[in-house]
Amino acid sequence: DIQMTQSPASLSASLGETVTIECLASEDIYSNLAWYQQKPGKSPQLLIYYANSLNDGVPSRFSGSGSGTQYSLKINSLQSEDVSIYFCQQNYDSPYTFGAGTKLELK
Amino acid sequence: QVTLKESGPGILQPSQTLSLTCTFSGFSLSTYGMGVGWIRQPSGKGLEWLANIWWDDDKYYNPSLKNRLTISKDTSNNQAFLKITNVDTADTATYYCARIRGVSLFDYWGQGVMVTVSS
Repeated sequence: DIQMTQSPASLSASLGETVTIECLASEDIYSNLAWYQQKPGKSPQLLIYYANSLNDGVPSRFSGSGSGTQYSLKINSLQSEDVSIYFCQQNYDSPYTFGAGTKLELK
Repeated sequence: QVTLKESGPGILQPSQTLSLTCTFSGFSLSTYGMGVGWIRQPSGKGLEWLANIWWDDDKYYNPSLKNRLTISKDTSNNQAFLKITNVDTADTATYYCARIRGVSLFDYWGQGVMVTVSS
């Protein structure tokens, strides 16, 4: 199985700040990497796919980058509604594995 | 508008079989390329992919649970199903179904259904 290691596990930032979340795959996943946002008490929502493609309706302050085994999610100008848990997922090979999540809170 | 909604028993006892239903609208599992997946999340923990089913009835299972999982669909009624046999307390979780886009990208999710396994 491909292991997905996310960091940090939790993050506290101020409104307007830029934050970055990292995801490391245990092998090359050829940009088959998605990011999901899960707001408190809600189901996950797809933010980014194929490492850097923004899903429809996702604000442009979200961006993804990376290749090979290393990927990142960047949120510019943090808003209060961005408080969530963020998960990465590799969809390169079955079983399709998720990172453990990064909990983003406001400082 | 794509929507999905899960339903299940709520509570069941160890060794029983868990049967889950995903009722969806806004797409068809008879359409080329369409698929539905099941993912679960224990309370306060991460996400675990369980199984996918595709328009052509192709099925993929997580090997860690493969012997216990059966995924199926009813195309005419826009439903997908997941059965998990011989449950134990480790199967306590919120279970989600989601529409698949591309190669196992989950682009629309249901609200989830909580399942508790307890004696």
